[in-house]
Amino acid sequence: NAGVMQNPRHLVRRRGQEARLRCSPMKGHSHVYWYRQLPEEGLKFMVYLQKENIIDESGMPKERFSAEFPKEGPSILRIQQVVRGDSAAYFCASSPTRMSSYEQYFGPGTRLTVT
Amino acid sequence: AQTVTQSQPEMSVQEAETVTLSCTYDTSESDYYLFWYKQPPSRQMILVIRQEAYKQQNATENRFSVNFQKAAKSFSLKISDSQLGDAAMYFCAYRSLIQGAQKLVFGQGTRLTINP
Repeated sequence: NAGVMQNPRHLVRRRGQEARLRCSPMKGHSHVYWYRQLPEEGLKFMVYLQKENIIDESGMPKERFSAEFPKEGPSILRIQQVVRGDSAAYFCASSPTRMSSYEQYFGPGTRLTVT
Repeated sequence: AQTVTQSQPEMSVQEAETVTLSCTYDTSESDYYLFWYKQPPSRQMILVIRQEAYKQQNATENRFSVNFQKAAKSFSLKISDSQLGDAAMYFCAYRSLIQGAQKLVFGQGTRLTINP
């Protein structure tokens, strides 16, 4: 059973460009979480999605950031008009559907560098 | 909102010795999960150990054990017989059981160095 997959692993964008980060959850998982890790800091929650629904976006910046998890295909975190402060590692995690499941399985992360 | 605090930015220990990493948290909920994650230089987040708040018994996974003090809202990680491969960032995390609020809340991390 393949783990959580994220691509690309490294992404370089110039200021003002768009960044698209993809996350394919583990097979059978319908819950996806995105976290951001700034240099030398812990992970900060951004958004929690289920298929075709945003459940909790309390950690998402109000502007330029959006996320989706369509019925088919990976979850996408989109950052428009990137700025240097967006440089960070972005992690995706997935968990099974059942509420009793406690664990979130993390992908390897996408390191975004804005030049 | 819940918060998690790790007051030790860095710790070091001699190989084969024991080290304890501290974590405190704040919540008004009575039931929740607590976790310790390890992040080696590869940046992959690896679950080390978990604790359900309703369980009084401290969790243990091989050389890793926790000291869970619910009233004090303290959740420390003890690593016994430290090995070079234990060198990493360690993050304490909290997870609510409330539906729709299952996000992980992380502490700032503790960088653990193992001295040979």
